[in-house]
Amino acid sequence: SQQGEEDPQALSIQEGENATMNCSYKTSINNLQWYRQNSGRGLVHLILIRSNEREKHSGRLRVTLDTSKKSSSLLITASRAADTASYFCATGYGSEKLVFGKGTKLTVNP
Amino acid sequence: DAGVTQSPTHLIKTRGQQVTLRCSPKSGHDTVSWYQQALGQGPQFIFQYYEEEERQRGNFPDRFSGHQFPNYSSELNVNALLLGDSALYLCASSSIVKREGVDTQYFGPGTRLTVL
Repeated sequence: SQQGEEDPQALSIQEGENATMNCSYKTSINNLQWYRQNSGRGLVHLILIRSNEREKHSGRLRVTLDTSKKSSSLLITASRAADTASYFCATGYGSEKLVFGKGTKLTVNP
Repeated sequence: DAGVTQSPTHLIKTRGQQVTLRCSPKSGHDTVSWYQQALGQGPQFIFQYYEEEERQRGNFPDRFSGHQFPNYSSELNVNALLLGDSALYLCASSSIVKREGVDTQYFGPGTRLTVL
């Protein structure tokens, strides 16, 4: 079964706009990671946030984590057509298995 | 520095056949995990190998088996293939010893398996 659930399932925006995706999970975690996948290919690691962190930035990406609500959000600012992909959150504990959600399909229109 | 590599890229098999998929981890990594991703779904954990032993296993039948070699590369074997085994199979590597990237798992491009 999948622990993470991303919301929305699909998101379509114009280039230059911001995109926000949310992830909810069920059990306690050690860390939460976001991955990007282009057209059913391999997953690209975007950012990892630990359970004792509340916010993390990487370039145009901003991730927040609220362990009390068991939720996380991924914000992509000033989106580009190249950001078109599926985005997955994955919860993990140490080097153990990752549990993925079903993903958010983001389309950025030029 | 080579990333995670997988072979083959695509594979077509018929029901009842057996298949072997291969994975080479990122340089310096000692742990390999395998995931199955059905169309439109997120990846599902199959199992993880460390020090040539299966360290953890997901909810997959015994038809799915694996192996890790002394050079840390790994194979995934699936016996008695079913139509439902059609999926993208992803390999991910990480380092338990080095704790590189704070437990980040790096994924390969995947092997697309089609069972007819």
